[in-house]
Amino acid sequence: EIVMTQSPGTLSLSPGERATLSCRASQSVRSNLAWYQQKPGQAPRLLIYGALIRATGIPARFSGSGSGTEFTLTINNLQSEDFAVYYCQQYNDWPPITFGQGTRLEIK
Amino acid sequence: QVQLVQSGAEVRKPGSSVNVSCKASGDNFNNYNVAWVRQAPGQRLEWMGRIIPFLGMANYAQRFQGRVTITADKSTSTVYMELRSLRSEDTAMYYCCQGGVRWFDSWGQGTLVTVSS
Repeated sequence: EIVMTQSPGTLSLSPGERATLSCRASQSVRSNLAWYQQKPGQAPRLLIYGALIRATGIPARFSGSGSGTEFTLTINNLQSEDFAVYYCQQYNDWPPITFGQGTRLEIK
Repeated sequence: QVQLVQSGAEVRKPGSSVNVSCKASGDNFNNYNVAWVRQAPGQRLEWMGRIIPFLGMANYAQRFQGRVTITADKSTSTVYMELRSLRSEDTAMYYCCQGGVRWFDSWGQGTLVTVSS
């Protein structure tokens, strides 16, 4: 089973700043990686798939990069609605598909 | 894009079973896979398995093998997830998702399953 590890656990930033979230896979997942945003009481929302492809309707301030075992989600010019929990997910090797433990992005 | 609507919250006793439904609309049910993902309080998302509705074929995560069954009713575009031998650690929000074994485009609203004596 591929283990996904995200860092940091919590990131405290102010609106307008840039957020950089990391995700590491225990073995290569090539570019088969997705990112999700989850707000309290809501289901996760797909942001990025294929490591760098934005999902439909996702603003351009969200970008993904990386391949193999190291991945990054960057959010430029943070907006108030961006403060949430973010999860990475690998779908290269299954079963099972696996998720990271999440990064909480909070307002500083 | 497909819309997924799940059944309501459930409370079960340890050792019993629960059956959660997920009704799809807005796209051809035969065109996609449906997965079940759960999230225990404060825990990461956990993939349980998926089904290819038009084949009726399902795959499961090993840790749930023997306890979970995912089925599909093509006539009503509904997918079901049954989890048996419930224990307190199964208390979680259960989501159905479009995608199966890749990224998940659409998610149901979630069904809270509480296991308590």
